[in-house]
Amino acid sequence: GENVEQHPSTLSVQEGDSAVIKCTYSDSASNYFPWYKQELGKRPQLIIDIRSNVGEKKDQRIAVTLNKTAKHFSLHITETQPEDSAVYFCAASKGGFNKFYFGSGTKLNVKP
Amino acid sequence: GAVVSQHPSRVICKSGTSVKIECRSLDFQATTMFWYRQFPKQSLMLMATSNEGSKATYEQGVEKDKFLINHASLTLSTLTVTSAHPEDSSFYICSAAPTDTQYFGPGTRLTVL
Repeated sequence: GENVEQHPSTLSVQEGDSAVIKCTYSDSASNYFPWYKQELGKRPQLIIDIRSNVGEKKDQRIAVTLNKTAKHFSLHITETQPEDSAVYFCAASKGGFNKFYFGSGTKLNVKP
Repeated sequence: GAVVSQHPSRVICKSGTSVKIECRSLDFQATTMFWYRQFPKQSLMLMATSNEGSKATYEQGVEKDKFLINHASLTLSTLTVTSAHPEDSSFYICSAAPTDTQYFGPGTRLTVL
């Protein structure tokens, strides 16, 4: 089955700096890669996603890149703000209504 | 759009009782819903995939007789934790997918005394 690994487990940055979180996956059949942000005690919220026919996607300060050959994808947050502090999860799926395989999560702390 | 609700948000029960958690898609129909369990500071652990009109598909190691799932309509799936024990205490979250993207409910904090 699919195996998703996520690094780092914790990340501390200064406000205004950039943050990068990386994930790798094992199943070449995976073709949908969402990223979720979860604040303490709350539900995971979708922040951005990418499909395998695209190499990069950007939404304001957030971007995701995908390297299908290497089987890895990354989340990039620029100009970080304290409200970006949360746990971020990557996931991989074969699309459709197939289940998600989640990474172990990255706790991002943005220091003001 | 793509709003998922979950009820109750918090429940405390005595050991040996059963607890039912509801998951509803409010503005779309969901033939497939998912149930997760999340321990503190850990990732989401998929328990089962709930399919409308058919039996749920359970992940390896999840007891189907203990965690009963019923997907009775296109907007409602329920998870019943039967004969709950303290080790079942956890944060349970459902998700529903109008397309290939999953949207999560707010979660249910279960505490078994």
